[in-house]
Amino acid sequence: SQTIHQWPATLVQPVGSPLSLECTVEGTSNPNLYWYRQAAGRGLQLLFYSVGIGQISSEVPQNLSASRPQDRQFILSSKKLLLSDSGFYLCAWAAENRGTQYFGPGTRLLVL
Amino acid sequence: AQSVTQLDSQVPVFEEAPVELRCNYSSSVSVYLFWYVQYPNQGLQLLLKYLSGSTLVKGINGFEAEFNKSQTSFHLRKPSVHISDTAEYFCAVRSGGSNYKLTFGKGTLLTVNP
Repeated sequence: SQTIHQWPATLVQPVGSPLSLECTVEGTSNPNLYWYRQAAGRGLQLLFYSVGIGQISSEVPQNLSASRPQDRQFILSSKKLLLSDSGFYLCAWAAENRGTQYFGPGTRLLVL
Repeated sequence: AQSVTQLDSQVPVFEEAPVELRCNYSSSVSVYLFWYVQYPNQGLQLLLKYLSGSTLVKGINGFEAEFNKSQTSFHLRKPSVHISDTAEYFCAVRSGGSNYKLTFGKGTLLTVNP
């Protein structure tokens, strides 16, 4: 069966510091991968999605970036965090040609 | 463009009462519909989905939803709720296409009181 991991689970970072959140999927190959941000009371905002290694589509311009160095690894990064980057970050995967998305456990980021 | 409206941001109910969480969507093409549940500080878990076929879809934990094309709705129901059903529920829609992007509603917080 497929599983999706995210780490760290919780992160507290100062404003202006860099960020790296990692997401990995097991038990499938060539998945579509997604990064979402969930802010309190605002639902889910799609940040990035990827249909293959090195292929990244950005949904919202901001100071975040994403990379997919391996088939089942998806990384969310920032060079300098802002206060507004605080939130709950969720990674999701979907099997190619099917589309149902399955979510990871999330990373809670607090920028101080 | 597709959009999802969850009409109630909060729904309080008593234990063992029935509940309906409402979801309406708009899309110009055929759609696939989903309900997810999120417990505090956890990721989203798929409750059920409508892809094709029977318009009444049964999911986990005793939930079901009915796809109504004429009313562009996909309401979630449970005949008798438990305290453990307290969570946030998200409706999502995906239109036919190759990018498999989901559009989510803003969520409905279901609170089950004893």
